Amino acid sequence: AIWMTQSPSLLSASTGDRVTISCRMSQGINNYVAWYQQKPGKAPELLIYGASTLQSGVPSRFSGTGSGTDFTLTISCLQPEDFATYYCQQYYNFPRTFGQGTKLEIK
Amino acid sequence: EVLLVESGGVLVQPGGSLRLSCAASGFTFRNYEMNWVRQTPGKGLEWVSYIDTTSSTIYYADSVRGRFTVSRDNAKNSLYLQMDSLRAEDTAIYYCSRDQSGTYDSWGQGTLVTVSS
Repeated sequence: AIWMTQSPSLLSASTGDRVTISCRMSQGINNYVAWYQQKPGKAPELLIYGASTLQSGVPSRFSGTGSGTDFTLTISCLQPEDFATYYCQQYYNFPRTFGQGTKLEIK
Repeated sequence: EVLLVESGGVLVQPGGSLRLSCAASGFTFRNYEMNWVRQTPGKGLEWVSYIDTTSSTIYYADSVRGRFTVSRDNAKNSLYLQMDSLRAEDTAIYYCSRDQSGTYDSWGQGTLVTVSS
């Protein structure tokens, strides 16, 4: 199985900040990475697929980069509704695996 | 609007069985691969199972292989997860999710399965 190390696990920031979340894979996976946002009591929502393609309806302040083993999710100019938990996911092969999650909290 | 509605989650004793259902609407169900993903309360996400459009290709996580069985009924727009020999570590919220080339672009609201004596 492909394992991933997602960091940080907890991130404190303020509205208007720019933040970056990282995900490192145990092996190269081309660009088969997705990012999800999850708010308390809700199901995850797809933000980005193919490492950098925004899902329809996702604000442009979200962006993704990376290829191979190292990937990042960046949120520029944080909005109040962005405080949530974020997960990376690889879909290069089965079993599909998720990162451990990054909780983005208000500083 | 894509809608996925899970049901069947309850409190069950260790060693027991349970069948989860997921009713799909708002899209052509038979054209989409589907998955079950679970989330331990307060913790992260774990992919559980995948089924293709014709039930020809099925995959399971190692943690459930041999105990869980995924199936679908395209005529009823429904996805199922038969869970046998349940363990305490199977306690989680179970989500059905629509597969879009390996990503999950739609999710249900989840159904809670609690395995406890």
